[in-house]
Amino acid sequence: DTGVSQNPRHKITKRGQNVTFRCDPISEHNRLYWYRQTLGQGPEFLTYFQNEAQLEKSRLLSDRFSAERPKGSFSTLEIQRTEQGDSAMYLCASSLTSGGAWEQFFGPGTRLTVL
Amino acid sequence: AQSVTQLGSHVSVSEGALVLLRCNYSSSVPPYLFWYVQYPNQGLQLLLKYTTGATLVKGINGFEAEFKKSETSFHLTKPSAHMSDAAEYFCAVSGPNTGNQFYFGTGTSLTVIP
Repeated sequence: DTGVSQNPRHKITKRGQNVTFRCDPISEHNRLYWYRQTLGQGPEFLTYFQNEAQLEKSRLLSDRFSAERPKGSFSTLEIQRTEQGDSAMYLCASSLTSGGAWEQFFGPGTRLTVL
Repeated sequence: AQSVTQLGSHVSVSEGALVLLRCNYSSSVPPYLFWYVQYPNQGLQLLLKYTTGATLVKGINGFEAEFKKSETSFHLTKPSAHMSDAAEYFCAVSGPNTGNQFYFGTGTSLTVIP
């Protein structure tokens, strides 16, 4: 079990550019979540997948944001036409929806800085 | 709707002293409750969780928390603080009625004074 991994760990981009982040969940986990965390705040839910289906999206997820999980394994989060307000830590988590409280395991995050 | 309130955005304790981090939740049904710890520039690590059963739960690194339904609280404690406990701590609530979405508090930054 290698845990949840995210790449890149850091991304600096200029306003208006597109960026894409990748998340590799724990291999047997069927649910995958994306969160955004700004300084001094707790993680805020963005969206989640069960297998390859995107089941819910937060109102925080503007039209510039899109997420995919094409084969029910890794996921990508793309932000188009980045804005300075997009600067944040983007966290990915995964869980297994059988038994228990569906505990979420978090990756190390991708820190995005938009200049 | 679910919400989590963490009283005290910053808590300072002396090394060896009791750690108490407060968490209150609002939920129409008994929730699942979690405490996570986050070290700088890292993701969140689960400390402990309450789902059902015993209301006093023990976690890693000597932390424990007690679910008190009457007070809608899930405060985190550790009898003796260690320098390595300095971090950001987040309380979270989830449950079947939330679609198992996690709702996080705004966090409490713990400083341990040598």
